[in-house]
Amino acid sequence: KAGVTQTPRYLIKTRGQQVTLSCSPISGHRSVSWYQQTPGQGLQFLFEYFSETQRNKGNFPGRFSGRQFSNSRSEMNVSTLELGDSALYLCASSLGATSVYEQYFGPGTRLTVT
Amino acid sequence: SQQGEEDPQALSIQEGENATMNCSYKTSINNLQWYRQNSGRGLVHLILIRSNEREKHSGRLRVTLDTSKKSSSLLITASRAADTASYFCATGFTGAGNMLTFGGGTRLMVKP
Repeated sequence: KAGVTQTPRYLIKTRGQQVTLSCSPISGHRSVSWYQQTPGQGLQFLFEYFSETQRNKGNFPGRFSGRQFSNSRSEMNVSTLELGDSALYLCASSLGATSVYEQYFGPGTRLTVT
Repeated sequence: SQQGEEDPQALSIQEGENATMNCSYKTSINNLQWYRQNSGRGLVHLILIRSNEREKHSGRLRVTLDTSKKSSSLLITASRAADTASYFCATGFTGAGNMLTFGGGTRLMVKP
């Protein structure tokens, strides 16, 4: 069974630009969650989608948005990039609707904003 | 903001020794999980313990949970160089779907 895939793996953008990251969950998984990892703030929850609906959202500005498609693939978008958005963005997929189900993380997209 | 703290932040041991990492959290939880991350890569799920459980084992891993103290510990026995990684605890909550709140992590180095 293929694991969680994230594209692209690396990205360099300029301040003010926008970026779209993609996550393909494990086949059959309906939940996709996104996390931002930085040296200063650690791992922080961005949002979770389940069956195309956003169920939870972390404490991030509205520049961060996401969506999930009918095939469970998910995208997150960051508009008007700031230097502080440089981070490793991780997505995780899960078969179930609650955190007692094991979550499988992708390798991440490393975003550098210059 | 992070749910809790992990202690120690860094740990260096020799191969064959045991490694113990601790995690404290702030609010009531449904479950607590431990993850491993190798050098800025994705996270790998290690073990999950529910709030009504006190101890769980998986291979060389032993996790304990003390809900009265809001703390958990991860013990890796007979460590190997391949165990070198960062270890994170994460807490899940009733009614919060798959959202996890992570601790700051412990960087473990196992010297051969």
